Amino acid sequence: EAGVVQSPRYKIIEKKQPVAFWCNPISGHNTLYWYRQNLGQGPELLIRYENEEAVDDSQLPKDRFSAERLKGVDSTLKIQPAELGDSAVYLCASSERQGRYNEQFFGPGTRLTVL
Amino acid sequence: LAKTTQPISMDSYEGQEVNITCSHNNIATNDYITWYQQFPSQGPRFIIQGYKTKVTNEVASLFIPADRKSSTLSLPRVSLSDTAVYYCLVGDETSGTYKYIFGTGTRLKVLA
Repeated sequence: EAGVVQSPRYKIIEKKQPVAFWCNPISGHNTLYWYRQNLGQGPELLIRYENEEAVDDSQLPKDRFSAERLKGVDSTLKIQPAELGDSAVYLCASSERQGRYNEQFFGPGTRLTVL
Repeated sequence: LAKTTQPISMDSYEGQEVNITCSHNNIATNDYITWYQQFPSQGPRFIIQGYKTKVTNEVASLFIPADRKSSTLSLPRVSLSDTAVYYCLVGDETSGTYKYIFGTGTRLKVLA
C-alpha cells in the first residue's frame, strides 16, 4: 500500500516568491494534517482537514499561508510571499479518523529553503 | 497547554535496553500517550500508544504509572538502526479540537 506522497521533496526559492507543496494521503484516510518542522524541533501543526473541511487552522499564519483540499483527497499548502523564516520541512500526515487514539502516517516532507 | 518534558539526548550501546522517560503533568483524564520515532529526512513514525499500566508491541513497551504523570518508552536490545529522535505526545483540547503537541523529542544515539 502506498504511503503519504509529498512533492516536491526539496525546494529552494528567493524571499518574496510564492511556493506550493502537494500532498496525497493514504487512500481512505479522511483526516489530513500539515505540519512545519524547524531544525532541531518537533513538528508544529499548521492545519488539519476532515475531508474537505479545515477543522483546525489556528496555527496557520493566514496572512501568507493558505491551504486547500477541494475534493477531500489531495491537498496543497501555499506560501505567498515566502520569508526567510519560512525555511523548514513541511510535513503532511493522514489518519483514518481524528481524535485521541488515531495513528498518523507521515510523508517524507518537503524541505524548503528561502534565500 | 498540554506539555511534555523529555531528556534532550541519550547514548546507548548495541544490545542494551533503552528507557526514555517522558513527563506530562497536565495530562487529561481521558488522554492517551503516544510515541513516535523520526529518522533524518523522514516523517515521524508511530511506535506505540497507551492509556495506563503497560502496553507492548513487536518493537517497544510503554510503561505508565497509576498517576499517569509520566511514561517510559522501553526499547529492548537496541541496534544501530534505532538511532533516531523519539517524541512523546499527549493531546491538547484548549483550542476546542483535539490535537497532538510535539515537543523537542529525545535524540537517541546507539553506539557499536
